[in-house]
Amino acid sequence: DARVTQTPRHKVTEMGQEVTMRCQPILGHNTVFWYRQTMMQGLELLAYFRNRAPLDDSGMPKDRFSAEMPDATLATLKIQPSEPRDSAVYFCASGSRAGAGVTEAFFGQGTRLTVV
Amino acid sequence: DQQVKQNSPSLSVQEGRISILNCDYTNSMFDYFLWYKKYPAEGPTFLISISSIKDKNEDGRFTVFLNKSAKHLSLHIVPSQPGDSAVYFCAVLIQGAQKLVFGQGTRLTINP
Repeated sequence: DARVTQTPRHKVTEMGQEVTMRCQPILGHNTVFWYRQTMMQGLELLAYFRNRAPLDDSGMPKDRFSAEMPDATLATLKIQPSEPRDSAVYFCASGSRAGAGVTEAFFGQGTRLTVV
Repeated sequence: DQQVKQNSPSLSVQEGRISILNCDYTNSMFDYFLWYKKYPAEGPTFLISISSIKDKNEDGRFTVFLNKSAKHLSLHIVPSQPGDSAVYFCAVLIQGAQKLVFGQGTRLTINP
């Protein structure tokens, strides 16, 4: 049963602390997206990768957010230092097989981040 | 700059009637559109898509209509069922960049 796995599911942290969210994309998918769900913006695209290379991270606050793909089975989103306004649900999604374009993306269950 | 807009934050429909969710986009070059459905505490799941070479795509109770001249698409659900209560997101796949951009979502409530 192929699925995108995100950890942790929930995270509560104090302002100023570092937060790392992890994502295991579906095996064989070569495009990975990071989204943040907020009330005002809906699903806001933060960054995405193809074949582990960052294609666009213009949606991320550069001073505190960073996204990486250390290998094909792991994508990470890091916030350092975290702030209360970062509280949201963060989703990872993966799509497309090598050689094919993206026609849809499959989402993980999200990480609910609360910064107090 | 919102490239995909869903102007209705919420919609309430009687069970058995038709639900119509709307979405507008800004760029006439966009050529592939998707609808996702999201239940609380879960990730969005793909529902239906349409390419710009078509103006309609149907899958069971779900039909997506595309009006390219108006840069508008809509999702029709008929008949609506209580299990359809969820948040619906419209999305555009920017083919060249392989970038998937979503709207703000519409919360659909189906009343018994």
